[in-house]
Amino acid sequence: GAVVSQHPSWVICKSGTSVKIECRSLDFQATTMFWYRQFPKQSLMLMATSNEGSKATYEQGVEKDKFLINHASLTLSTLTVTSAHPEDSSFYICSARDLGGEGATFFGPGTRLTVL
Amino acid sequence: GEDVEQSPFLSVREGDSSVINCTYTDSSSTYLYWYKQEPGAGLQLLTYIFSNMDMKQDQRLTVLLNKKDKHLSLRIADTQTGDSAIYFCAAHGSSNTGKLIFGQGTTLQVKP
Repeated sequence: GAVVSQHPSWVICKSGTSVKIECRSLDFQATTMFWYRQFPKQSLMLMATSNEGSKATYEQGVEKDKFLINHASLTLSTLTVTSAHPEDSSFYICSARDLGGEGATFFGPGTRLTVL
Repeated sequence: GEDVEQSPFLSVREGDSSVINCTYTDSSSTYLYWYKQEPGAGLQLLTYIFSNMDMKQDQRLTVLLNKKDKHLSLRIADTQTGDSAIYFCAAHGSSNTGKLIFGQGTTLQVKP
């Protein structure tokens, strides 16, 4: 199947700093990517839809000024957690749909963020 | 909107078959997925089924789809201890853009 990568796989930062997470589709182009977060022992919660060349669409309750999303190319979306606080500590996972293939959705391996 | 439901826990003995069930609400979902998540790891796509199929088999995995009842199941034959994980069922939302709606996950415990 198609491959989606994320970088970094884990990051530890101090409270108040900003952290950037990258999501790449390695062997297909994705005009749309999705960002999820997952708290321990819980399911995935969709945060936003990243659209190549236009503004991201955020789910209700997600602060767009705190979670900045940029979809600069057909293979790269970035999520920046600004002024991170301990409550932002979570597992962040991106996904992309391979429309050139069978149309299935593939997930990245996730990025574990710990804010001290 | 789409809602996906799973039972939270399943325990089986090694060598037995496991059947994990899922129900969804949006009949227009084109793809339905099963993902596996091991502790501390990301999501691994196990298999998916297109909505015009009733069954899909891939080695030890069999997916059954009952569109009428909006019921999806994942059967794991000859379950091994390495199969212990959380299994998520997911469906495309009604927009079918690729946004997935997840069930709460079923924790599969395999006893030796």
